[in-house]
Amino acid sequence: EVQLVESGGGLVQPGRSLKLSCVASGFTFSNYGMNWIRQAPGKGLEWVAYISSGSSYIYYAETVKGRFTISRDNAKNTLYLQMTSLRSEDTALYYCARWDYGFAYWGQGTLVTVSS
Amino acid sequence: DIQMTQSPASLSASLGETVTIECLASEDIYSNLAWYQQKPGKSPQLLIYDASSLQDGVPSRFSGSESGTQYSLEINSLQSEDAATYFCQQHHDYPYTFGAGTKLELK
Repeated sequence: EVQLVESGGGLVQPGRSLKLSCVASGFTFSNYGMNWIRQAPGKGLEWVAYISSGSSYIYYAETVKGRFTISRDNAKNTLYLQMTSLRSEDTALYYCARWDYGFAYWGQGTLVTVSS
Repeated sequence: DIQMTQSPASLSASLGETVTIECLASEDIYSNLAWYQQKPGKSPQLLIYDASSLQDGVPSRFSGSESGTQYSLEINSLQSEDAATYFCQQHHDYPYTFGAGTKLELK
C-alpha cells in the first residue's frame, strides 16, 4: 500500500524557516517524481514544487521561487521542502503527492501557520 | 502561466441527477488535464486523468470529456457520497495549475 506521511509543520514567525519531510512507503520511491502542493485554510489547491526521480529536474511556483527548496533522499525514501523567509500567505496545509498520470497519491498533509 | 477557469463555483443537485462541471484552459493543454474530488478534512482523490481516463477504483458514473480548451467532468446518477469539492488541474506545463474548485451539495 502506498503511503506518504508528512511532518515538520507548525507555528512559525514571519521571516523564519521551516523544513517539511514526507516519508514514502509501499512503492519504489526512487522511480517517481514527487511534488509539494498546498492548500490555504478554506481555499483551493496550489502546486508548489516538483522534483524528478533522480533530482535532475526541479520546478517551483513563482510564489515560492527563491525561498523554498525541494529535495529528496532516495536512500531514506524521503522528500523535503525547506522553506525560508516565510510569509503569512504561506500559511497552509502542505501535502506531498506522487505524480503518475495525475497526483494519484497524497499524504494527509502537515499544517504550517505563519504568524507572529 | 496557464489559467484554469472552473465553473460553477457551487451547485446543488438531487440524488440520481446528472451534473457537469467545466474547466476552461487559457491555452491548448492537449488533454493534459486531471480531475480531483476532495471531501472535508480529507486529501484530494484523483478521479480522471488525461481528460477522460478513469482512475482505478473510481465509479463509472464519473466521466471526463473535452472540446477544444473546454474540459468537463460529468457525474451521473448522483449518490450521497458525491458531495464534495471538485478541482481540475492542468499538467501540460509548469507551473501546474488548478481550477478554483466546485462545491457540490446534495439536496
